[in-house]
Amino acid sequence: ETGVTQSPTHLIKTRGQQVTLRCSSQSGHNTVSWYQQALGQGPQFIFQYYREEENGRGNFPPRFSGLQFPNYSSELNVNALELDDSALYLCAGGQGLKDTQYFGPGTRLTVL
Amino acid sequence: AQTVTQSQPEMSVQEAETVTLSCTYDTSESDYYLFWYKQPPSRQMILVIRQEAYKQQNATENRFSVNFQKAAKSFSLKISDSQLGDAAMYFCAYRSYQGAQKLVFGQGTRLTINP
Repeated sequence: ETGVTQSPTHLIKTRGQQVTLRCSSQSGHNTVSWYQQALGQGPQFIFQYYREEENGRGNFPPRFSGLQFPNYSSELNVNALELDDSALYLCAGGQGLKDTQYFGPGTRLTVL
Repeated sequence: AQTVTQSQPEMSVQEAETVTLSCTYDTSESDYYLFWYKQPPSRQMILVIRQEAYKQQNATENRFSVNFQKAAKSFSLKISDSQLGDAAMYFCAYRSYQGAQKLVFGQGTRLTINP
C-alpha cells in the first residue's frame, strides 16, 4: 500500500472535451506530482505541487492544469482533449521535497 | 536535460536464478537520486530501491541490489533468487537533488520469470 489512491480507474472521453482526474494521498503528503504514461513508454512528468502551489512543470501545454487541496487531495484538469492525450495518468505523493514519491494505481484515459 | 536509457526492452530469467537489468543516465549534476520502480500488470508503480548519488555504498533491499558506478553513469539492478511475482516492467529513474521532484524515467525493461 502506497497510501495514494486515484479515481476514476478508467475514463472515456471524446476529442475536445474536458476531463478532471483525482488523486488522494495520505496525511502528511504535502507534495503531489502528476505523470502521463503513454502505452509502452516510461512516465513523463507533467507538474508538481508543493503546499498547494505549483513547484515545477514539464513540457506540457497550459491546457494541462492542476490543483492541490489542504486535505492532501489533488486534481489534474485537461481541456480541449486530443487523441494523443490517451494514456495512463499517474499521481505520486510524498512528504517534503527530498522524500521518495509513492505512486497511485493510475487512471486510464481514452480519447476517441 | 537529464536522460535515462534502458537498453534491454525485454529480459527473461528462470525462477530462482539471478538477473541484472541495465540503466545508464546522462547528467551534469553531481548530486541526485536514482531509483528503480516496478510496474506489474496492475499498473501501480512500486518503488524497488533508491540510491543517493553522494553515497558510495550500493543500496540493497532484500533480494534487490544495485551496482552504482557514478563515473560511468551506470545504475544496474540485480535481482537474486527470482520469483514469479517479480515479473513486471522495471523502470530506472533519475531525480535532481534540488528543485521539483521531477522523475526522469527510462523506457523500461519487461522482465519475464520462467517457472
